[in-house]
Amino acid sequence: NAGVMQNPRHLVRRRGQEARLRCSPMKGHSHVYWYRQLPEEGLKFMVYLQKENIIDESGMPKERFSAEFPKEGPSILRIQQVVRGDSAAYFCASSPDASGPGYTFGSGTRLTVV
Amino acid sequence: QKEVEQDPGPLSVPEGAIVSLNCTYSNSAFQYFMWYRQYSRKGPELLMYTYSSGNKEDGRFTAQVDKSSKYISLFIRDSQPSDSATYLCAMSPLNSGGSNYKLTFGKGTLLTVNP
Repeated sequence: NAGVMQNPRHLVRRRGQEARLRCSPMKGHSHVYWYRQLPEEGLKFMVYLQKENIIDESGMPKERFSAEFPKEGPSILRIQQVVRGDSAAYFCASSPDASGPGYTFGSGTRLTVV
Repeated sequence: QKEVEQDPGPLSVPEGAIVSLNCTYSNSAFQYFMWYRQYSRKGPELLMYTYSSGNKEDGRFTAQVDKSSKYISLFIRDSQPSDSATYLCAMSPLNSGGSNYKLTFGKGTLLTVNP
């Protein structure tokens, strides 16, 4: 079992470009969660998705950020027109259901906006 | 006041020491309490999980929850250099439908165990 796979591990984007972060959940897991870890901050919940559905996006910034988990393929976190403040580590986690206990996290994508 | 407070450290101890890591919280709705370990440049790894109050032991690790004081602890006995990592507390309420997916994390405590 390969675990939660995130790619790329590192991503550098210039201000104004788009960033696409991919997450493949563990085999058998149909629930995906995205968290952001800003420098000197704890992980912050962004969005919870099931296949083809956004269940809770209460932690997503209102503009420029979107997420999807299509029927086939990985979950995608998309950031349009990136700004320096978007520089952070973005972690994806998955679980077989939403009732706990805890998640399995991937190793993250470190986004740097220059 | 932040929902979850955790002393960032750093904390440095000699090998074999007992380590105590703590978090306080303000949200009375939190029912699930977790400790994650995060090595540098890696994702968080679930160590311990507790529902409501009480103690839970797993090998060298003991998690304690005191809901009356809104205080949780993680104890590491006989600490090893391989325990050197950042330790994150996390908690969640009981959401509608019985789920607890939305975690609120502390900032993490950086622990170094010196050989």
